[in-house]
Amino acid sequence: KAGVTQTPRYLIKTRGQQVTLSCSPISGHRSVSWYQQTPGQGLQFLFEYFSETQRNKGNFPGRFSGRQFSNSRSEMNVSTLELGDSALYLCASSPRDLKRVPQETQYFGPGTRLLVL
Amino acid sequence: AQSVTQLGSHVSVSEGALVLLRCNYSSSVPPYLFWYVQYPNQGLQLLLKYTTGATLVKGINGFEAEFKKSETSFHLTKPSAHMSDAAEYFCAVSESGTSYDKVIFGPGTSLSVIP
Repeated sequence: KAGVTQTPRYLIKTRGQQVTLSCSPISGHRSVSWYQQTPGQGLQFLFEYFSETQRNKGNFPGRFSGRQFSNSRSEMNVSTLELGDSALYLCASSPRDLKRVPQETQYFGPGTRLLVL
Repeated sequence: AQSVTQLGSHVSVSEGALVLLRCNYSSSVPPYLFWYVQYPNQGLQLLLKYTTGATLVKGINGFEAEFKKSETSFHLTKPSAHMSDAAEYFCAVSESGTSYDKVIFGPGTSLSVIP
């Protein structure tokens, strides 16, 4: 089985621009979660999608949005980029519900490293 | 409000020694608890999780953690450290909210293994 893939792997944008990141989960996985990792703020949870619906979300401004398609692939979008959005964005997938299905585990992609200049 | 504390931003152990990484949390309801590992220049990996049931949870690579409600702790242990265990370890807590579950990560503990 192919793992979680994220595209692009690296991205450079300037302030004010917008960016779209893509995540393809492991085949058969319906839950996709997004995380932001920065040296200053550490790891932060962005949101989780399941069957094309946002199931959970973290405390991020509305500039951060996402969606999930019927094939479970997910995209996240950041509009009006700020310098502080420079980060490693990680995507993870799991079959259904990591918290409520005891045997279920979660797999991460390699991340997209975004640099905002 | 939820929060996660990891005591010790950096821990060093000798190869073969016990690994103990501490995690304390605050949560207003029974939490879900997780440990993640990030190897140098790699993505995250879920080590183990506590959801319900048995409070001693076994994970991958010989790690285990025990949920102690009275101490609000979820410390990660491994009986014998291996060089390949050198990595950053993150504890996380999630609790059900009225609309959304919230997930909070600890600041991380960097583990060094000395030969």
